[in-house]
Amino acid sequence: DTAVSQTPKYLVTQMGNDKSIKCEQNLGHDTMYWYKQDSKKFLKIMFSYNNKELIINETVPNRFSPKSPDKAHLNLHINSLELGDSAVYFCASSQDMGLPFPYEQYFGPGTRLTVT
Amino acid sequence: RKEVEQDPGPFNVPEGATVAFNCTYSNSASQSFFWYRQDCRKEPKLLMSVYSSGNEDGRFTAQLNRASQYISLLIRDSKLSDSATYLCVVNIPGGFKTIFGAGTRLFVKA
Repeated sequence: DTAVSQTPKYLVTQMGNDKSIKCEQNLGHDTMYWYKQDSKKFLKIMFSYNNKELIINETVPNRFSPKSPDKAHLNLHINSLELGDSAVYFCASSQDMGLPFPYEQYFGPGTRLTVT
Repeated sequence: RKEVEQDPGPFNVPEGATVAFNCTYSNSASQSFFWYRQDCRKEPKLLMSVYSSGNEDGRFTAQLNRASQYISLLIRDSKLSDSATYLCVVNIPGGFKTIFGAGTRLFVKA
């Protein structure tokens, strides 16, 4: 009964390929997020969806495209992968956006992406 | 100035020690603050929220200093299992966003 799950856990691929990471939460939460954690361990928000609607879209290359088919899923598709995309990608969810006080975020186990 | 700054450490302390971390934030309008814990190669997990009046949860105490724009985390009687990276999280008003600090690494040794 994993709360936030991601697949795959590890992804090794070559430059120029297209790949997807899937995320699912069974907590009944309305808000989901994608974060990137680079080699310096800096956790940076990429996207946030609330009730399937895009709320946060940080300065991320448009090679990254999130998709939320329903409230429980937020997938991340990456086109034309580059070496600099190598990182750990975390999906997270929270009960709501929480205005003005954010709710606790529950993170998935992460997807370790290595681009060679 | 970065939106959220933490001393990266590492802090190396013996078991039983008391250790404190600070985190400074740049947006004076921020209202919500959290400490998350991240174990090596694992996902971050909420440790505690930080309330204006300060709050305590067992061996952990969180404080907020609005005047100086920092939050702190105090760990008493450190355990080996406290070894982790502690992430400071601050909300950015009006933008639905929370910003994570780069984390402070703690090693507790026997």
